[in-house]
Amino acid sequence: QKEVEQDPGPLSVPEGAIVSLNCTYSNSAFQYFMWYRQYSRKGPELLMYTYSSGNKEDGRFTAQVDKSSKYISLFIRDSQPSDSATYLCATAPIYNQGGKLIFGQGTELSVKP
Amino acid sequence: DVKVTQSSRYLVKRTGEKVFLECVQDMDHENMFWYRQDPGLGLRLIYFSYDVKMKEKGDIPEGYSVSREKKERFSLILESASTNQTSMYLCASVDRLGANVLTFGAGSRLTVL
Repeated sequence: QKEVEQDPGPLSVPEGAIVSLNCTYSNSAFQYFMWYRQYSRKGPELLMYTYSSGNKEDGRFTAQVDKSSKYISLFIRDSQPSDSATYLCATAPIYNQGGKLIFGQGTELSVKP
Repeated sequence: DVKVTQSSRYLVKRTGEKVFLECVQDMDHENMFWYRQDPGLGLRLIYFSYDVKMKEKGDIPEGYSVSREKKERFSLILESASTNQTSMYLCASVDRLGANVLTFGAGSRLTVL
């Protein structure tokens, strides 16, 4: 069993829809939670970063962590065609030596105009 | 504005050839990483380095080696390429104090025939 499991998709939604992307993890030592966005033929870029449980909002994006159920979510409101990309969840334990992340499989999102 | 540069974007090699993938970062980061990305498997860590001359195995080091002779440069070497090493290779770096905010290169897509 992978330490981080992500709904693989692909996911196709109409413009303006609310998108929910989800991951589960198995190690209770994980304390850092990230979402990276990867456009076609580009490297991943950090989108959201949270520490421990709770919500974090940035514009149309909300990252949510529920440590009791080991569940990570990314919500995109009013989705736009420019949001079409692969979204990768990532996590790391509290004792992590800078940057050694565990990634989910990635979810490919397509937002249709 | 390019921060992590992977000089070879697309390579086609034959089975048994020696392959060098070069990565250079201009942010004076201590930590550098090589991941490979495959559909359905996400990003998997091959090797990483926390300092010049230092290297540590990641989750899938078999068939690979690395070299870090200078702080800004981290090379991935496939001593004898095989078809199962056909993949997207991503280099990343992070400052030692930068927690888990990796900066990725654009990737090198390797095809082994």
